[in-house]
Amino acid sequence: GAGVSQSPSNKVTEKGKDVELRCDPISGHTALYWYRQRLGQGLEFLIYFQGNSAPDKSGLPSDRFSAERTGESVSTLTIQRTQQEDSAVYLCASSWDRILTEAFFGQGTRLTVV
Amino acid sequence: AQSVTQPDIHITVSEGASLELRCNYSYGATPYLFWYVQSPGQGLQLLLKYFSGDTLVQGIKGFEAEFKRSQSSFNLRKPSVHWSDAAEYFCAVGGNSGYSTLTFGKGTMLLVSP
Repeated sequence: GAGVSQSPSNKVTEKGKDVELRCDPISGHTALYWYRQRLGQGLEFLIYFQGNSAPDKSGLPSDRFSAERTGESVSTLTIQRTQQEDSAVYLCASSWDRILTEAFFGQGTRLTVV
Repeated sequence: AQSVTQPDIHITVSEGASLELRCNYSYGATPYLFWYVQSPGQGLQLLLKYFSGDTLVQGIKGFEAEFKRSQSSFNLRKPSVHWSDAAEYFCAVGGNSGYSTLTFGKGTMLLVSP
């Protein structure tokens, strides 16, 4: 597609359930980023992929969070045993190559844990 | 570690007045600097970026920003604000240091009064 696509756009889940968030980056972009935006907060870095490997996972808040990327394309962010504090908008972005260039953002997935 | 400070959480400007949004960064080498805008219900959109060269950069929608190394600042300006500029603005820093990631400030919410 022409832009970064994220699905679902909205997700409501019960506390304790697992969720998977999907990101389809722009074709050819080797760098992929996940950010979290809580209400009234800035963007919190979660994880960065270069190709299929993740050289920087420093932002993952706990071991309940994990992410993978396959085929240097689609990425999935998984949150296990969701908690109410996980409620946020999860944003994905992609950019060309390892040299930092413009990152294009998806519309995000709004996750609500009830 | 790299960081970004946006000292103003909210700013209100009258329509037609000039605007300056402050951004200070911390980065160990030459930074790559960005301003993004997030309108209600919209994804993040790049306004402008600084990589090297002329320290005054022009962006979309009539915005400009000036990189001042001595002050570690990258303030965003617009000479005449329009009501449609009401949005949240994020400053970000990154660089080509082995791998690249973007660190965002907490954002400044711009309100435009008639």
